[in-house]
Amino acid sequence: GQQVMQIPQYQHVQEGEDFTTYCNSSTTLSNIQWYKQRPGGHPVFLIQLVKSGEVKKQKRLTFQFGEAKKNSSLHITATQTTDVGTYFCAGTMNRDDKIIFGKGTRLHILP
Amino acid sequence: ETGVTQSPTHLIKTRGQQVTLRCSSQSGHNTVSWYQQALGQGPQFIFQYYREEENGRGNFPPRFSGLQFPNYSSELNVNALELDDSALYLCASSLGWLGTDTQYFGPGTRLTVL
Repeated sequence: GQQVMQIPQYQHVQEGEDFTTYCNSSTTLSNIQWYKQRPGGHPVFLIQLVKSGEVKKQKRLTFQFGEAKKNSSLHITATQTTDVGTYFCAGTMNRDDKIIFGKGTRLHILP
Repeated sequence: ETGVTQSPTHLIKTRGQQVTLRCSSQSGHNTVSWYQQALGQGPQFIFQYYREEENGRGNFPPRFSGLQFPNYSSELNVNALELDDSALYLCASSLGWLGTDTQYFGPGTRLTVL
């Protein structure tokens, strides 16, 4: 079946270090969305990528969509304690189809 | 704040019972989606409603059903509860089709089945 895999499952970094999470789909995606969920909270939309090879930046966050539209990454530069949480990618295979979430990468910041 | 509310916040039920969870979407949002999130997992898509009709469903049995009302509220009903139904249930509203528009999630309902 259609799957969206996310790695790593957990990541511990020192405050100030960079962080990257990767998302891979078994099939071509029409678009991909990224969400952040704080402990005890609900997912909060970060960004949507639609075009092949697309790169978007939000302050210290950089999002990429692969050329084949089957993989994506989120990179955080110089992590801060406020970055703590679980980052999910969510892919849509076709317009009007269901959206499939990855299992998320849980980011923990060491002071 | 996303403007999406859910009730109740927490709920405890026993196996075999039925439960109704409620969601109030942002005004003007025609699409509502429901998700099940087990502990340590990503949200699993249950179904989507657009203008009061179901138009997308994930791999959930028919005992999971829903309704969407004209006033931007919706319900998730689960019959014959099983222990594995224990999870956080999230609703998300959006202006347009699922996967093409920003989804705004509610705070969720934590369901425990004993």
